[in-house]
Amino acid sequence: DQQVKQNSPSLSVQEGRISILNCDYTNSMFDYFLWYKKYPAEGPTFLISISSIKDKNEDGRFTVFLNKSAKHLSLHIVPSQPGDSAVYFCAAKLLAGGGADGLTFGKGTHLIIQP
Amino acid sequence: KAGVTQTPRYLIKTRGQQVTLSCSPISGHRSVSWYQQTPGQGLQFLFEYFSETQRNKGNFPGRFSGRQFSNSRSEMNVSTLELGDSALYLCASSLGRSVTGELFFGEGSRLTVL
Repeated sequence: DQQVKQNSPSLSVQEGRISILNCDYTNSMFDYFLWYKKYPAEGPTFLISISSIKDKNEDGRFTVFLNKSAKHLSLHIVPSQPGDSAVYFCAAKLLAGGGADGLTFGKGTHLIIQP
Repeated sequence: KAGVTQTPRYLIKTRGQQVTLSCSPISGHRSVSWYQQTPGQGLQFLFEYFSETQRNKGNFPGRFSGRQFSNSRSEMNVSTLELGDSALYLCASSLGRSVTGELFFGEGSRLTVL
């Protein structure tokens, strides 16, 4: 049973436009969410995160929105640049109990920025 | 600051063999996690070690095991390899008990089982 779902395996966006990547989760106990970006032949790198007590977090061109009632989060990239072409993973974790750092990842969305 | 280092980067094994993968975390990081990445299943959590103790384990069979040494370096072992074990194995380190959950990943070890 997949607890974190990224239903779009790929997304193509024109350079300069907004890219919106979506993520849904089923476990209401998740209280911290992260986005990772992965280029081919490299490990994932941390992009941005959001706590469940917030509904928005912004860092430069990247903004993550969290809708807890819908168990949905999205990553907005504005404006999209060619270097943004990568696979984006949504991840969630449980902070309660101070447990391990194990993250539950979605399967990823391959973002392609077209010139 | 050196990043997470994984060795070997690529390896080919045959069914039934066993394999050991190594991970050196970022200096000062005490937590090491292992993930398996496959096209069909995405990134799946294998286990996490902190101060030489396995702190958490994902839903993988007992053929998958790991350990952590006193210098925080970690190894994972897969015995009796199956074709389905072909994957990218990623190691990630963190300071440990990190509230933000930010993990720093290595480039991975690409295992092909023939």
